[in-house]
Amino acid sequence: GAGVSQSPSNKVTEKGKDVELRCDPISGHTALYWYRQSLGQGLEFLIYFQGNSAPDKSGLPSDRFSAERTGGSVSTLTIQRTQQEDSAVYLCASSLGELGETQYFGPGTRLLVL
Amino acid sequence: EDQVTQSPEALRLQEGESSSLNCSYTVSGLRGLFWYRQDPGKGPEFLFTLYSAGEEKEKERLKATLTKKESFLHITAPKPEDSATYLCAAGVGWGKLQFGAGTQVVVTP
Repeated sequence: GAGVSQSPSNKVTEKGKDVELRCDPISGHTALYWYRQSLGQGLEFLIYFQGNSAPDKSGLPSDRFSAERTGGSVSTLTIQRTQQEDSAVYLCASSLGELGETQYFGPGTRLLVL
Repeated sequence: EDQVTQSPEALRLQEGESSSLNCSYTVSGLRGLFWYRQDPGKGPEFLFTLYSAGEEKEKERLKATLTKKESFLHITAPKPEDSATYLCAAGVGWGKLQFGAGTQVVVTP
């Protein structure tokens, strides 16, 4: 079956512009996660959606970052007024949603803010 | 504070030279210890999940083990195609993964 897909693969934007990153989880997976991987850094948790529950936003670095998940499937991560320090790879993962279930990752979106 | 530390940061091996990667963790309420492989420009690829101290899992030349404080990824007789960054992550809270910084492995012919 199809894995997690993300679009775009690469995004170059100018400082101050807004960007939207999309994630399509594996069909049937109720949990969806966003992580960020900066150059030379480990993966950093951003936000977690599980079913119809309120998302866990505890990892979002500032109020310029937001995410939504429509219909329990596709998710969009939005970064407003981008800054150069937002340049990173943004990774999406999904899982069956039970505690301790394996998360499967997409290929990521490489964001460069000039 | 939940913490995951991987060592060494980088490892250079000759083909056939076995070695081990270490992942030490300090978390409250571990919900699985996960190993991933990441190739340049790609997302992490799932390898293993371990849940209980003493548990072991194997896949081809890789074997993962878990204790109450650490996990090890053993690479037996590696080949050049085993070159990658190996990531360790602890399942914490209600679903997020706390990742280590990774070990970059290079296997030369």
